[in-house]
Amino acid sequence: DIQMTQSPSAMSASVGDRVTITCRASQGISDYLAWFQQKPGKVPKRLIYAASSLESGVPSRFSGSGSGTQFTLTISSLQPEDFATYYCLQHNSYPLTFGPGTKVDIK
Amino acid sequence: EVQLVESGGGLVQPGGSLRLSCAGSGFTFSTYAMSWVRQALGKGLEWVSGISGSGGSTHYVDSVRGRFTISRDNSKNTLYLQMNSLRAEDTAVYYCATLGSTFHYWGQGTLVTVSS
Repeated sequence: DIQMTQSPSAMSASVGDRVTITCRASQGISDYLAWFQQKPGKVPKRLIYAASSLESGVPSRFSGSGSGTQFTLTISSLQPEDFATYYCLQHNSYPLTFGPGTKVDIK
Repeated sequence: EVQLVESGGGLVQPGGSLRLSCAGSGFTFSTYAMSWVRQALGKGLEWVSGISGSGGSTHYVDSVRGRFTISRDNSKNTLYLQMNSLRAEDTAVYYCATLGSTFHYWGQGTLVTVSS
């Protein structure tokens, strides 16, 4: 099974900060990697698919990069509505696996 | 408009069974693989099970293999998750979802609580 790790597990940031979250796969997954944002009580929302493609309607301050085993989600200028938990998901092979999540809260 | 609507959640005793359903609409249901994803309160997302569009291929996370069975009825546009031998640690919101790169939707979830 492919294990996904994320770092950091939590972070405090201010509005306007540049935020970078890293996801690592235990083996190569090509670009079968998606990033999700989830707010309390809400359904996860996909932000990025195929490692670097921006979901329609998602602000351009979100970007993704990487391939193989290391991936990055970047928020170029954190906005108040971006405080949430972020997850990566590998869908290269079954069982699909999510990262443990990164909680971004207000400094 | 694509919709996925889960039902069947509720309170069940440890060792009991429950069947979840997910009704799809607004798309050609049989074309797409489907998955169940769960989330315990305050915890992360966990993929539970997946099934191919035809239903001929199924997959499970180790913690539910042998206890849960995923299936689909393409004539009814419905996905199922039969959950047997339920444990307290199965308590979670269960979402059905299509997790493909180009076709990606989630339902609103249904809460399963395993408790005596």
